[in-house]
Amino acid sequence: GAVVSQHPSRVICKSGTSVKIECRSLDFQATTMFWYRQFPKQSLMLMATSNEGSKATYEQGVEKDKFLINHASLTLSTLTVTSAHPEDSSFYICSAKQGPDTQYFGPGTRLTVL
Amino acid sequence: GIQVEQSPPDLILQEGANSTLRCNFSDSVNNLQWFHQNPWGQLINLFYIPSGTKQNGRLSATTVATERYSLLYISSSQTTDSGVYFCAVDSGNNRLAFGKGNQVVVIP
Repeated sequence: GAVVSQHPSRVICKSGTSVKIECRSLDFQATTMFWYRQFPKQSLMLMATSNEGSKATYEQGVEKDKFLINHASLTLSTLTVTSAHPEDSSFYICSAKQGPDTQYFGPGTRLTVL
Repeated sequence: GIQVEQSPPDLILQEGANSTLRCNFSDSVNNLQWFHQNPWGQLINLFYIPSGTKQNGRLSATTVATERYSLLYISSSQTTDSGVYFCAVDSGNNRLAFGKGNQVVVIP
């Protein structure tokens, strides 16, 4: 149980285009999902908290118009990187909370912007 | 915000050896999790352990909440144990703060 999937696993896009990443909880409902970013050989940095049916809460320094988050159902949250640029290239990981405490993580999406 | 420090940053082990990874945190926590990130980037839940001791096969963890640290023990290490181990804590604001990780390499 407690499986979280992400799609796509890898994406390469041209500068200026938008990319959508999906995060799904496959066998449980998650009212709260989280989006993280990880640069090579570094730790995970929380970008935003996604709440089903309401606006996402962004961490300080994260542009909400750049990184659009939609949590439309109890099993799906999406992150759209708008007008992507090379500096947005990174490993994006989502997680979903099962119960009050434990977070389960998706396999990640590697974004490369040319 | 809460600070999370992990040590040692890098560790090379001979297969079969035991090791201890440490996580110090700067404030009281109501959630502490240990993860293993495999070479493909997947974070695998190892333990949810805000206090006490748990064991799962060759891995065990102990958190001493009053002294603000947690330990992850790896016994009889195998090459598949290689990867980065992360400690992450939540001090009550529903957000996990990650340490920088312990990079473990197990050589045959």
